[in-house]
Amino acid sequence: QKEVEQNSGPLSVPEGAIASLNCTYSDRGSQSFFWYRQYSGKSPELIMFIYSNGDKEDGRFTAQLNKASQYVSLLIRDSQPSDSATYLCAVVNRRQGGSEKLVFGKGTKLTVNP
Amino acid sequence: DAGITQSPRYKITETGRQVTLMCHQTWSHSYMFWYRQDLGHGLRLIYYSAAADITDKGEVPDGYVVSRSKTENFPLTLESATRSQTSVYFCATSSGGSTDTQYFGPGTRLTVL
Repeated sequence: QKEVEQNSGPLSVPEGAIASLNCTYSDRGSQSFFWYRQYSGKSPELIMFIYSNGDKEDGRFTAQLNKASQYVSLLIRDSQPSDSATYLCAVVNRRQGGSEKLVFGKGTKLTVNP
Repeated sequence: DAGITQSPRYKITETGRQVTLMCHQTWSHSYMFWYRQDLGHGLRLIYYSAAADITDKGEVPDGYVVSRSKTENFPLTLESATRSQTSVYFCATSSGGSTDTQYFGPGTRLTVL
């Protein structure tokens, strides 16, 4: 099982709809979770981070974490064409020796159609 | 405030040549990271550094060398470039390590012929 899995998409939604992006992870001990957005040809940029079970809202974005089921999701409300990008889920895993590393999923490509 | 810069932005080289990619930050973040991004693999950690003179391997370190003599610089060297090292390379920084937000540079697109 891969450490962080995302549906590669592409996910296509109409403008104004809710886009739902999902991510599962294998390390049950993971405590920190991040969502990055990457426009084509650009570098990743942080959208949100979440550490606790439940929902965390920031404007049109809501991150949801369920540690028991080992999944984290990102909801984008009132999707806009400018939200069209690849969304990367990242999870902090503990390595042998105790150090931690950030592991990225392959990303889900989202297209918002006007 | 430039934040984090990478140079060169584009590089074409030949198999067997040595190539150095530069990363410079102005934030004085303790941690710096090198990733490569390839279709089908996503972002993979090559090396990271917790402070000057402290470096550690990531997921895919073979064929790469790093150094960090100054906090602000973290060069990545491909000792003898191979075609499989054709990729987009991103440098990132954070103040608190892997559990903290990482800020990415603009990337270097490297092609090895």
